[in-house]
Amino acid sequence: RKEVEQDPGPFNVPEGATVAFNCTYSNSASQSFFWYRQDCRKEPKLLMSVYSSGNEDGRFTAQLNRASQYISLLIRDSKLSDSATYLCVVQRGDSNYQLIWGAGTKLIIKP
Amino acid sequence: DTGVSQDPRHKITKRGQNVTFRCDPISEHNRLYWYRQTLGQGPEFLTYFQNEAQLEKSRLLSDRFSAERPKGSFSTLEIQRTEQGDSAMYLCASSPTSFYEQYFGPGTRLTVT
Repeated sequence: RKEVEQDPGPFNVPEGATVAFNCTYSNSASQSFFWYRQDCRKEPKLLMSVYSSGNEDGRFTAQLNRASQYISLLIRDSKLSDSATYLCVVQRGDSNYQLIWGAGTKLIIKP
Repeated sequence: DTGVSQDPRHKITKRGQNVTFRCDPISEHNRLYWYRQTLGQGPEFLTYFQNEAQLEKSRLLSDRFSAERPKGSFSTLEIQRTEQGDSAMYLCASSPTSFYEQYFGPGTRLTVT
């Protein structure tokens, strides 16, 4: 079993719709969680950290469920520019610096 | 703040040649990471520096790979006797000591022919 698992997609979503991704992780000792966005043939860019209480940044909402060991990302009112691959990232449980990366979920927003 | 930079952006080399990549992290960041990424996969951890000390190296990394960060600023990643399987995007990231968030450079795309 992979340490971080994501549905690879692609998710084909009409512009303006709401879309949600989940990501599961295997190490219950993990303490820090992130969502990164990666455009085709570009570097990953930090989208948001995920806090225990959940957090929101504009149209983006991230949630953490420690009991079930998953994190989620919700995108509201999706824009064409949201088309990208979204990478779920989890701090390795036995490390205070190493991150484990999911393979990403591809999102395609259609006009 | 100019962000993380990497050089070269693209490298094409023949199998068996040695290549070296450079990474300049964000100036106040103590931590520096190297990753490798292939199509359809997330970044795969290669190695990590805190200042000039290399604190961890992936078990997946063969002896053909070596990295340095001699003065705790820029870093180099060398691949000796390249193989076709080394073709990938090599990403460098940096972060401040107190945070886990990592900031990436644009990557070096290596093609081994």
